[in-house]
Amino acid sequence: AQSVTQLGSHVSVSEGALVLLRCNYSSSVPPYLFWYVQYPNQGLQLLLKYTSAATLVKGINGFEAEFKKSETSFHLTKPSAHMSDAAEYFCAVSHGSSNTGKLIFGQGTTLQVKP
Amino acid sequence: GAVVSQHPSRVICKSGTSVKIECRSLDFQATTMFWYRQFPKQSLMLMATSNEGSKATYEQGVEKDKFLINHASLTLSTLTVTSAHPEDSSFYICSASMGLRAEAFFGQGTRLTVV
Repeated sequence: AQSVTQLGSHVSVSEGALVLLRCNYSSSVPPYLFWYVQYPNQGLQLLLKYTSAATLVKGINGFEAEFKKSETSFHLTKPSAHMSDAAEYFCAVSHGSSNTGKLIFGQGTTLQVKP
Repeated sequence: GAVVSQHPSRVICKSGTSVKIECRSLDFQATTMFWYRQFPKQSLMLMATSNEGSKATYEQGVEKDKFLINHASLTLSTLTVTSAHPEDSSFYICSASMGLRAEAFFGQGTRLTVV
């Protein structure tokens, strides 16, 4: 069975500071991992995904994530936070061994960016 | 990228009535669609998976008679919340993919309020 745990339900950073959102996964098969962003009352936008190719994945808006099998982690980072990054972020793992649309989501992390 | 449209974005209905939410893939054929439910400040929980032309597969604990899902065409799936009650108030999000093993794209979500 697959599962995802996001450490920290709320993260606050100053504008220009490093953003680090943590995600650990559990999977009985090689995982496909995703990071999504959600703005209030909107759907989800895909930031990036890991599909067993390069372990360092670059996404949109300057975000990137590194897949670390030994640590079962897929943390999301951005070197310099922008006010527009304030949103809810979800880490997800595909349900199964392939890039399926059936996803299991973490609890979400609210990112606050202070001026 | 692929576009998925949900309608309506917001709906208020009275207790005991039914409400239908539409999920459309605008520029691709979605053989598989997923319906998620999101409670305030919480993560997305998969409700059901629907494949075009066949019955939906519901997740454990989801009442299939209450949440009727129809996927009659390759571009449209509907979720009908029957005999709605205030506890059904939630944010419902659909996603659509070109197959069980293809990436899914999310709609904008529907905020349902039952009064």
